[in-house]
Amino acid sequence: GAGVSQTPSNKVTEKGKYVELRCDPISGHTALYWYRQSLGQGPEFLIYFQGTGAADDSGLPNDRFFAVRPEGSVSTLKIQRTERGDSAVYLCASSLTWDSADTQYFGPGTRLTVL
Amino acid sequence: AQSVTQLDSQVPVFEEAPVELRCNYSSSVSVYLFWYVQYPNQGLQLLLKYLSGSTLVKGINGFEAEFNKSQTSFHLRKPSVHISDTAEYFCAVMKKTSYDKVIFGPGTSLSVIP
Repeated sequence: GAGVSQTPSNKVTEKGKYVELRCDPISGHTALYWYRQSLGQGPEFLIYFQGTGAADDSGLPNDRFFAVRPEGSVSTLKIQRTERGDSAVYLCASSLTWDSADTQYFGPGTRLTVL
Repeated sequence: AQSVTQLDSQVPVFEEAPVELRCNYSSSVSVYLFWYVQYPNQGLQLLLKYLSGSTLVKGINGFEAEFNKSQTSFHLRKPSVHISDTAEYFCAVMKKTSYDKVIFGPGTSLSVIP
């Protein structure tokens, strides 16, 4: 079956612009996660959704970052007033439930470059 | 809070040789442990995970890892590597609760030399 998909695969924007990154989880997965991976580092947790609500947004670096999942499936990560330091690969993952033991399945990521 | 250390940032190894990628973690509570692999320009893929029971865990592609609670380690091993194993490998930890965020290590880049 289809895995986690993310669009666009690459996004180049200018400093100060607004961007939206989209994640389509595996059908039927109730939990959805966003991570950010900077060059040469491991993924860093941003936010977790259980259904439609953000159950844990403690990883969002500041209030320029926001994410939604209005119907409990597709999620959008929104970044306002982008800065060069936001450049990274943004990864989305989904799991069947929110149990820690459940495997998280990752998408290929969106590479964001802020000029 | 949990943390993960991967002692080697880069590991070159000849094809068909054995390899061990080291991972140590820090946690005050019981944890689940994971190894993920990231091939060039691809997403992360789960290699194996330790939840409970036998401390030797077997995963995909011939990899295995051993959980050592006293040494707080979860080293990844493969007896004979192939060119196709060239990738970035991430060790990760998560608290044993109904939910917790995954904490990843910085990664080890495995390069298999023909």
